[in-house]
Amino acid sequence: DTGVSQDPRHKITKRGQNVTFRCDPISEHNRLYWYRQTLGQGPEFLTYFQNEAQLEKSRLLSDRFSAERPKGSFSTLEIQRTEQGDSAMYLCASSALGGGPEPFNTGELFFGEGSRLTVL
Amino acid sequence: AQKITQTQPGMFVQEKEAVTLDCTYDTSDPSYGLFWYKQPSSGEMIFLIYQGSYDQQNATEGRYSLNFQKARKSANLVISASQLGDSAMYFCAMREVSGGYQKVTFGIGTKLQVIP
Repeated sequence: DTGVSQDPRHKITKRGQNVTFRCDPISEHNRLYWYRQTLGQGPEFLTYFQNEAQLEKSRLLSDRFSAERPKGSFSTLEIQRTEQGDSAMYLCASSALGGGPEPFNTGELFFGEGSRLTVL
Repeated sequence: AQKITQTQPGMFVQEKEAVTLDCTYDTSDPSYGLFWYKQPSSGEMIFLIYQGSYDQQNATEGRYSLNFQKARKSANLVISASQLGDSAMYFCAMREVSGGYQKVTFGIGTKLQVIP
């Protein structure tokens, strides 16, 4: 397994277009996170999946954003009617349920290299 | 209120010296985890160290140690014997376990520059 992979790595689009990003997590990881990061800022939480269930979604996420994780494997993040303010790096991360009971597993996040979106 | 606060936008350290990066957190959950990640200019996020809220000992990983002061809600990262390759952004993060759900929140980061 080569880690978390994201596709595409870069996307340039015109305002108003739809874009979709894909994330393939580490195969045995049941948890998947999407974050957005702008220049000079920390990753901002967008949404979280445990297996195929989307358990939490940031209140900052507008209705133009939707994420899915069919069958609990890969995930997609779609942005509809993109705006210039959507320009950012979109990071995907996955983690495993550790061997011990919560909260004793570390469950660190393994990040992909990100998908950079530029909206013109 | 901010969940994770990193008050040092930038830090400089001389090569081979030790440096402390500050992090305070805010949670009402009794069980939580604290992480530090490094992000070099290349952009990848690299996991450095983890501290669980129930851990009695401060976590250590090689040159990295986490100074965990639970009552003060602080989780400072100490890097000993700084190297030029340590120059990067450093993010403190917290995982809260609430109702079986997990959310990992990051701070805004500290930019560390190691001076030869």
